[in-house]
Amino acid sequence: QSALTQPPSASGSPGQSVTISCTGTSSDVGGYNYVSWYQQHPGKAPKLIIYEVNKRPSGVPDRFSGSKSGNTASLTVSGLQADDEADYYCASFAGSHNVFGTGTTVTVL
Amino acid sequence: QVQLVQSGAEVKKPGASVNISCKASGYSFPDHTMHWVRQAPGQGLEWMGQVGPKSDDTIYAQRFQGRVTMTRDTSINTVYMALSRLRSDDTAVYFCGRVIGYGLNLDYWGQGTPVTVSS
Repeated sequence: QSALTQPPSASGSPGQSVTISCTGTSSDVGGYNYVSWYQQHPGKAPKLIIYEVNKRPSGVPDRFSGSKSGNTASLTVSGLQADDEADYYCASFAGSHNVFGTGTTVTVL
Repeated sequence: QVQLVQSGAEVKKPGASVNISCKASGYSFPDHTMHWVRQAPGQGLEWMGQVGPKSDDTIYAQRFQGRVTMTRDTSINTVYMALSRLRSDDTAVYFCGRVIGYGLNLDYWGQGTPVTVSS
């Protein structure tokens, strides 16, 4: 039950876009359309921003979008804003269990 | 409004057990599976397991099997997570979360319970 692989960091200037990858295997990311993404600010609980690969919960702006190709899922944050600076985690259903990604720190330059 | 309120911070010695509660309000409690997630200091999120509508409907992450027990008391809208044989690397913030749909879609989270394991 290994963690999904994410890049440790990503960055972009305000208004730009940043894309974060989440790589798993055919037993998790590649095997199910049950990938979710979370945003976590320091000292806070995570916030669900994408579920089932590309669905947004109510209240999440459409600047956040998700996709998947094979064993890799991606989160794109468009029109970067200062408040987007946070840690981002992917997660996937894996049949008998669930697994999180290693996390990516997004910096708004 | 939906709320998940967890019990307070705990300090335990190695080898002891901890029991954390998570009280839900604002929605139909039996309709949602509840998950537990932990985060060690400066580290990422780790899924620990889940408890479904009934206490015997549980799935635990392999690394916690034998040490963790998750239960729910529908009469008071509360789920519990007990972790035994604590080690120093169990020091973390423990979160409960409500799932929607299929997968690890936790749309509401508790505030987190810090657990410190130290001799």
